[in-house]
Order: sequence, then structure tokens, then C-alpha cells
Amino acid sequence: QSALTQPASVSGSLGQSITITCTGATSDIGGYNSVSWFQQHPGKAPKLMIYEVSHRPSGVSNRFSGSKSGNTASLTISGLQAEDEADYYCSSYTSSSTVFGGGTKLTIL
Amino acid sequence: QVQLVQSGAEVKKPGASVKVSCKASGYTFTDYYIHWVRQAPGQGLEWMGWINPNSDGTNYAQKFQGRVTMTRDTSISTAYMELSRLRSDDTAVYYCARGGWVVIPATPVYHYWGQGTLATVSS
Repeated sequence: QSALTQPASVSGSLGQSITITCTGATSDIGGYNSVSWFQQHPGKAPKLMIYEVSHRPSGVSNRFSGSKSGNTASLTISGLQAEDEADYYCSSYTSSSTVFGGGTKLTIL
Repeated sequence: QVQLVQSGAEVKKPGASVKVSCKASGYTFTDYYIHWVRQAPGQGLEWMGWINPNSDGTNYAQKFQGRVTMTRDTSISTAYMELSRLRSDDTAVYYCARGGWVVIPATPVYHYWGQGTLATVSS
């Protein structure tokens, strides 16, 4: 199972919006509405930010939103804050398994 | 509150095995999948597989088939992941994560994670 494709890095200024893309195939992202996004700060366990493409867990800021079109999922973060600087990973369900993206490092300028 | 508490760091020699435990609390252990995910130093997340604590069913990533075994002990609400024939590139932090209900497909909805267990493989 090939990993999902994410940009290695993105950056944005405080208050701006950014979008991280995650490209897969019809066997994963395109075939199921089961895409999750995780935020990971250095030395910490990942944190679920979005599940089932666009659902936010309780306690996650509404500045985080998710969407999907075809084989590509996207995570948008609006009103960037300093604490958003982290690594972000997408994941998708695929035939009883899970596949992750390679991760995107978000830098706040 | 839901908690997943993992066992401590391990140092192993190449060719040995490592067994990591993940003790669950705050919910009914047999109601939710447990997934295992690892992260090599400076690298991304890698899914290893899941166990259904209710049925004892498992599904392993193709990469680990033949080397990984996931088990559980329902009497103490604990899941285990054992990786054998260790190599230096198995050095990683190993995480357990609670998945969804066992009555639906094992989707990557990981609301809760263990703190991670560093396994170092070195001669």
C-alpha cells in the first residue's frame, strides 16, 4: 500500500489561511469518506483534528476544516496562530487497513 | 476519562523481539479497535495493524506480516504488539491508538493515543 502524498512543507503568516493537500487513489481517499487529519508537535503523540473528511472532534478549533474532491483530501487552517506550527498527517481507510501520508511541516512566519 | 498507557522504553539487539503493552481505561475495552502505529526518528507515521479486542481478530499491514503479532488480554484491558526479527530500521516510537467501534470497519478515527514507547534496536 503506497503512502498518501502530502507536500513536505507549507508556511503562512499569523492570521492567514493555509491548505494542505493529501493525494491518494480510488482505492483509498477516492473510495471512502474516511479521511482523518492529525496534528503532531515535537515529542508528542499525534492529535486527531479531522475525521470522516470534515468532522471535527470535540475541543478542536473551528479554524480547522477538511474537505475531499475525488482522490484528494484537504485540510484548511484559517486564522493561523503560533501554536498551529506542527507536523500534519492525513490518513485514509483502505480495505480494512489504514494508510498515512508522509506528513507536512507547517511553519508560521 | 479514556486513557491508553503504554509500557516503557526498550533496547533490543538485532534479531530479537520486542513486546509493547497498551493498557486501556475509562471505556469498555472490547468495544473499540486498538491500532498500532510507529514513527521512526525524524520520519512520518506508519500504520502497523489493528486488533479487535472483542473477537481477537487482527489485520496487519503487508509490510509487517510474518513479523508482527497483536494480542489482547481482556481480563486486564490490555493490548500487546510484538515485533520479531528486529532490525536497526525498526528503531521507532510505537504508539497504540483507540479506533472506532468494533461493529463497523476499522477506520482511522483515532481519538485517543498512548504516550508512545521508544524501541531502540542496536548491537
